[in-house]
Amino acid sequence: QSALTQPPSASGSPGQSVTISCTGTSSDVGGYNYVSWYQQHPGKAPKLIIYEVTKRPSGVPDRFSGSKSGNTASLTVSGLQAEDEADYYCSSYAGSNTLSFGGGTKLTVL
Amino acid sequence: QVQLQESGPGLVKPSETLSLTCAVSGYSISSGYYWGWIRQPPGKGLEWIGNIYHSGNTYCNPSLKSRVTISVDTSKNQFSLKVTSVTAADTAVYYCARGWLLGNFDYWGQGTLVTVSS
Repeated sequence: QSALTQPPSASGSPGQSVTISCTGTSSDVGGYNYVSWYQQHPGKAPKLIIYEVTKRPSGVPDRFSGSKSGNTASLTVSGLQAEDEADYYCSSYAGSNTLSFGGGTKLTVL
Repeated sequence: QVQLQESGPGLVKPSETLSLTCAVSGYSISSGYYWGWIRQPPGKGLEWIGNIYHSGNTYCNPSLKSRVTISVDTSKNQFSLKVTSVTAADTAVYYCARGWLLGNFDYWGQGTLVTVSS
């Protein structure tokens, strides 16, 4: 069970869109439609923003969207706002009731 | 409103056992969902430790499985984590969380920093 691969950083200007990738294998991301994304602000607990690849929990703005192709999942943040600056983590079911997280991506709003 | 609160020693000596408890309010543990532990070393990413279901079944990260025990006390509406033979690599903020479906954690505790040092 290995950590999923995310770029360490991403950035965009207010109003722009940015996409963060999360690459795994056929044993996790590619094998199941159970990819989640979490947003974490400094000193705070993570917050679930996407589950089952594309679904948003109640209260999460539709500026956040998820997708998946093969072994890579992606999170897109549209219409960037200052409060979107945070760390983002993907996670995936990895079979046998286990879970893997990505290494995290620091999103900077320029 | 579901709330989770971690508690336990903030400092543990190397080779000893780390013990944490997560008190749940606003929801009965025995009613369903599962309950998980996730940790985050300072300045690093999240690592899933393991889950316990209301049935008592537990599932743990294979890399930690030999050292981790997760248990539940439904009478106190809380669940616990023990990690044996700790080293400096176990220094982290430890979070407890409520889980549903396969890998979604919707409610989290605030986290508690555990430092392993002599």
